[in-house]
Amino acid sequence: TQLLEQSPQFLSIQEGENLTVYCNSSSVFSSLQWYRQEPGEGPVLLVTVVTGGEVKKLKRLTFQFGDARKDSSLHITAAQPGDTGLYLCAGDWAGGTSYGKLTFGQGTILTVHP
Amino acid sequence: DTGVSQDPRHKITKRGQNVTFRCDPISEHNRLYWYRQTLGQGPEFLTYFQNEAQLEKSRLLSDRFSAERPKGSFSTLEIQRTEQGDSAMYLCASTEDSTDTQYFGPGTRLTVL
Repeated sequence: TQLLEQSPQFLSIQEGENLTVYCNSSSVFSSLQWYRQEPGEGPVLLVTVVTGGEVKKLKRLTFQFGDARKDSSLHITAAQPGDTGLYLCAGDWAGGTSYGKLTFGQGTILTVHP
Repeated sequence: DTGVSQDPRHKITKRGQNVTFRCDPISEHNRLYWYRQTLGQGPEFLTYFQNEAQLEKSRLLSDRFSAERPKGSFSTLEIQRTEQGDSAMYLCASTEDSTDTQYFGPGTRLTVL
């Protein structure tokens, strides 16, 4: 089983603070995706990273894929209450015929207080 | 709206009843996935279709679960003789061969009483 360990599990911060969420594995992934999920809804894609060392920016969000493609991070600058939600990392395992199925981390519940 | 759609959004049933969920993927997406998500956890893979062929099933998918994609477009997931442990959010996602990016539907929340 290819596991993705996501940390922290919970994050409660004040508006304007910065934060980083980590996603780690001992397995190599072909690609890694970050999603945000609201209660009662499906995950909404934020970004896909496919190249080791890749950095992608989406407004105040910065995503990084580790050089060895075993880990990733999501950094949010100057968090806003609208950033509140469940953040999930998910990877497509590089070994075997996984048919692109995703392995998800446990998720990070982020709460940004005004 | 050209996103993935799922129906129903919510289903409450009594233990032992059968339920069926439907997923309509993004048009022309040939790959379709079903996942299950319980409270406080990330989604877990259930099964995968490439066009109408079911190519992979998780060990999570017991004999009570069956999925179909008869014409390579929409898919159905049926759970027979539901148990309380089946209560979860059932998510469908689709993608095309040229990308790793999966697009998720809003999910069907199943509650088994």
